[in-house]
Amino acid sequence: EPEVTQTPSHQVTQMGQEVILRCVPISNHLYFYWYRQILGQKVEFLVSFYNNEISEKSEIFDDQFSVERPDGSNFTLKIRSTKLEDSAMYFCASSGGLGEKLFFGSGTQLSVL
Amino acid sequence: AQSVTQPDIHITVSEGASLELRCNYSYGATPYLFWYVQSPGQGLQLLLKYFSGDTLVQGIKGFEAEFKRSQSSFNLRKPSVHWSDAAEYFCAVGHPNTGNQFYFGTGTSLTVIP
Repeated sequence: EPEVTQTPSHQVTQMGQEVILRCVPISNHLYFYWYRQILGQKVEFLVSFYNNEISEKSEIFDDQFSVERPDGSNFTLKIRSTKLEDSAMYFCASSGGLGEKLFFGSGTQLSVL
Repeated sequence: AQSVTQPDIHITVSEGASLELRCNYSYGATPYLFWYVQSPGQGLQLLLKYFSGDTLVQGIKGFEAEFKRSQSSFNLRKPSVHWSDAAEYFCAVGHPNTGNQFYFGTGTSLTVIP
């Protein structure tokens, strides 16, 4: 079965530093998502991306966050100035259409020290 | 507002026993309903989904779920649990008419004892 891949699997950073989380969605998918899961809490929607622009974002996705699809294969999440509370598992997902099955990556565990 | 409730934070069952994980939702219309499983250190894997039609849906790994509109529920079941089923299970809802967001429940952690 096709896979969504995410790199790195673990990222440790100092508070205030910028991080970029990388994702390679499934090649023929059109919709891309970022979710996060703080330890012990539920999976939270951050942002969805379609046709090279953000289609929806949650309250969590403030000005310190940005997403980009720099080429035909990668989908990145940038956090400009990390805070302690950004520590979480970040999941990338993609789907072929609205409401369709989401394929999730294995996640990037971000630890902000 | 849309919401998903998984009332059981943690469930322990014996291997070979039956399993039912509860999910209730609040939504403006009949949503698309999903169950995902998350094994430790891994991403979310789709078990099954309901869009329309037959309210009893079959998924992978021997799981099934039944959509009950009157109860706003979409409970996950398995007749005989295997030790490898130990994981975190998430119910999720979404609908293309209300955007791309999927709303997840808080998850139910399943422990399987021999």
